[in-house]
Order: sequence, then structure tokens, then C-alpha cells
Amino acid sequence: DTGVSQNPRHKITKRGQNVTFRCDPISEHNRLYWYRQTLGQGPEFLTYFQNEAQLEKSRLLSDRFSAERPKGSFSTLEIQRTEQGDSAMYLCASSSTGTNQPQHFGDGTRLSIL
Amino acid sequence: AQSVAQPEDQVNVAEGNPLTVKCTYSVSGNPYLFWYVQYPNRGLQFLLKYITGDNLVKGSYGFEAEFNKSQTSFHLKKPSALVSDSALYFCAVRDISGSARQLTFGSGTQLTVLP
Repeated sequence: DTGVSQNPRHKITKRGQNVTFRCDPISEHNRLYWYRQTLGQGPEFLTYFQNEAQLEKSRLLSDRFSAERPKGSFSTLEIQRTEQGDSAMYLCASSSTGTNQPQHFGDGTRLSIL
Repeated sequence: AQSVAQPEDQVNVAEGNPLTVKCTYSVSGNPYLFWYVQYPNRGLQFLLKYITGDNLVKGSYGFEAEFNKSQTSFHLKKPSALVSDSALYFCAVRDISGSARQLTFGSGTQLTVLP
């Protein structure tokens, strides 16, 4: 069990640029979640996949945000035309099928918008 | 809607003393409740969960939590704190009756254990 892996760990970009983050879940987990965490706050839910199907999306996920999980394994989160307010830690979590299995989190990608 | 409140931003305790980190929740139906810990520049680590059954739940690293339905609380406890327990602690909730799988987190409590 290598845990949830997120890349890159840090991303610095200029306002208006597009960025993409990758998440590799624990291999046997078919559920995958994206959260956003700003300083001094708890994680806020963005979206959820079961296998390749995106089943839930938060209102926080504006049309500039898109997430994919094309083969039901790794996932990508893309932010287009980044804004200052997008600066945050983006966390990925995965869990196995079954009633209320805990979500296991990666170490996150910290995004800084200049 | 579901929500979590962690009323204390900061809790300080001396090493060897018992610690309590408070959490209250609000859901429409019955809750699933979780505690996570976060160290600097790291993701969240799962500590324990309450689904049903015994109100006292035991978890990792000697932590436990007590579910109190009448007070809608799920306080995290440890009998004897260690300096290494110093970290940011998050309580989270999910409504059993809801179809959504998202967790709703509190704003976190910074625990500092003083040597």
C-alpha cells in the first residue's frame, strides 16, 4: 500500500494560466474525491468519482474547473484561467467500496497564483 | 444540509495530561462521524470513525471519541497526551440518509502539547 500520491506537490503560476494536477489513488480503491483547503480552514468538497463516473460536483466547482478519471484509476483536476482566489491546497482522497469506508488522503498540491 | 463546529481554534495541554478536542455536528438524519489529523504540509490522516453501535470509539495512536446523540457531539479524547500529538485536528460528518458521499469538515483545532 503506497498511499494516495499527488503531483506536483507545489505549483506556482501566473494569474490567467491553466494548471493540471494529478492524483493516483490507492490501487484497490474505486472511489476518488477532490477537496480544496485554504489556510485556517477545513477541506471543502469539490467532486467525487466512483470508477470513471463523476457522481457528485460541488457548487464550488465553477466552469473553470474540470476533473476526469478516464480509466477509473488516476484522476486529473484542471483549472483554467487561474485567479488569485484559486490559491489553496488541493487534496485528493480515495476509499474502497463498502459502507462508510474512511477516505485516505494524499499530501496535496499547493497552488500559488502570482 | 450537514455541518460541523469545532469551537476551539487552539487547545494547549501539558504532556501526560488528558486531552479533549471538541466537535459538534448538525445533520438531517443520523450521522457518520470521523476524526482526522493533519501535520504541517501533509494530507489528512484518518484516526477513527463512528458509524453505529458503541458510543465510545477507539482509534489510532491511543485516541478515542465519544458520540453523544442528545448533545450532537463527538469529542476526541486521549488519556495521556504526547508532544508528538501536536497537530491540527479535524472533525467531519456525513449524513446517513443522504446519497452524497462528501464529507463536511470543521475548521480544525490546533492541538499543542507542551513538554
